Amino acid sequence: DAGITQSPRHKVTETGTPVTLRCHQTENHRYMYWYRQDPGHGLRLIHYSYGVKDTDKGEVSDGYSVSRSKTEDFLLTLESATSSQTSVYFCASASGTSTDTQYFGPGTRLTVL
Amino acid sequence: GESVGLHLPTLSVQEGDNSIINCAYSNSASDYFIWYKQESGKGPQFIIDIRSNMDKRQGQRVTVLLNKTVKHLSLQIAATQPGDSAVYFCAENTLTAGNKLTFGGGTRVLVKP
Repeated sequence: DAGITQSPRHKVTETGTPVTLRCHQTENHRYMYWYRQDPGHGLRLIHYSYGVKDTDKGEVSDGYSVSRSKTEDFLLTLESATSSQTSVYFCASASGTSTDTQYFGPGTRLTVL
Repeated sequence: GESVGLHLPTLSVQEGDNSIINCAYSNSASDYFIWYKQESGKGPQFIIDIRSNMDKRQGQRVTVLLNKTVKHLSLQIAATQPGDSAVYFCAENTLTAGNKLTFGGGTRVLVKP
């Protein structure tokens, strides 16, 4: 597996507060992704990056922003957390060709009260 | 596990028997398919992949079959072991920009001793 870590692993926050989740990979992968996983919905793409400072929206991007200032780090920010954003968030990375496998991190469980 | 849906289809299999997990994919333009395994509290883990120019691919104890005519994918696990208990996801890639994957809803496999 690619060396992908996520921090924090667990977080409880209150509605209206900003939250930033961090993904770090040591494989020099070009692509990075943020997903959320909820019961009944499987894994859904929030945002992805295809290089430093190059990002794009996924299917559930409302309420989220991302930044990628270095190849190894991809940050997901909830500007003002809502209870509907309570979920498990996974980061993934892939090398750089169109059929490269995405390798996933261990996940962050976020609870918004 | 706590990170996965509570209402997933479930396959119960006796230890030592073979398991077959099915997946219907949605996009006839999809060109690359991946099976992931997700254990409780962990991120999805790559198992095996297949490209659309193939109809079968074998790995260690696993075989993936692809039927493009009916847009169907299956994962066969030989001699199922307790460690195979997990949720299994198929994912499809239409090779669009960003190497984006679309995930199926998942199947839970329970191995009975």
